[in-house]
Amino acid sequence: QVQLQESGPGLVKPSETLSLTCTVSGDSINPYYWSWIRQPPGQGLEWIAYVYYSGRTNYNPSLRSRVTISIDTSNSQFSLSLTSVTTADTAVYYCARGNRHDVFDYWGQGTLVSVSS
Amino acid sequence: EIVMTQSPATLSVSPGERATLSCRASQSVGSNLAWYQQKPAQAPRLLIYGASTRATGIPARFSGSGSGTEFTLTISSLQSEDFAVYYCQQYNNWKTFGQGTKVEIK
Repeated sequence: QVQLQESGPGLVKPSETLSLTCTVSGDSINPYYWSWIRQPPGQGLEWIAYVYYSGRTNYNPSLRSRVTISIDTSNSQFSLSLTSVTTADTAVYYCARGNRHDVFDYWGQGTLVSVSS
Repeated sequence: EIVMTQSPATLSVSPGERATLSCRASQSVGSNLAWYQQKPAQAPRLLIYGASTRATGIPARFSGSGSGTEFTLTISSLQSEDFAVYYCQQYNNWKTFGQGTKVEIK
């Protein structure tokens, strides 16, 4: 059974960098792509970025200037970095797997990241 | 950016009844449309992809239809575990989600 687990600080100060890691177990990193998706409290879902097992990346144009996604295939992990955060970046951050049908078939449980001084 | 609009925002349905949820895309996405179910404090779960193909393990009471800009998710006979929020998502151009439809008990 594929499992994804997010990890990282639950509180980040405004203007600082949010960093999260997702650890994958139960299946190989390839040939899939791996994504970050967020959900502000009480709101809908927003795709942030994805990274292929090969390292190829793709970003939401609205966040591109502040986001970096990377992958560590040897440790079955991928990571998110979001710079210059504001309170608008407060959200539950999910990691998810993109399958061969180009949809998200496995998700982590999500981690709440609050941006506050 | 392709904007996905779901209607209604909230749908009140009695157990055993049919629920019909709509999703409209601001431009054609072909059949590159998925539906997800999300329960409180849980991650979304994939229900439908390719507009009409059920994901592994999804009961037959869930069905999807449509193409281009108009899509529908139908739950033929609502069970207690089906009361949740449902999101559509296009993956034809980047990836964008609708704002969700909450299916609540009438």
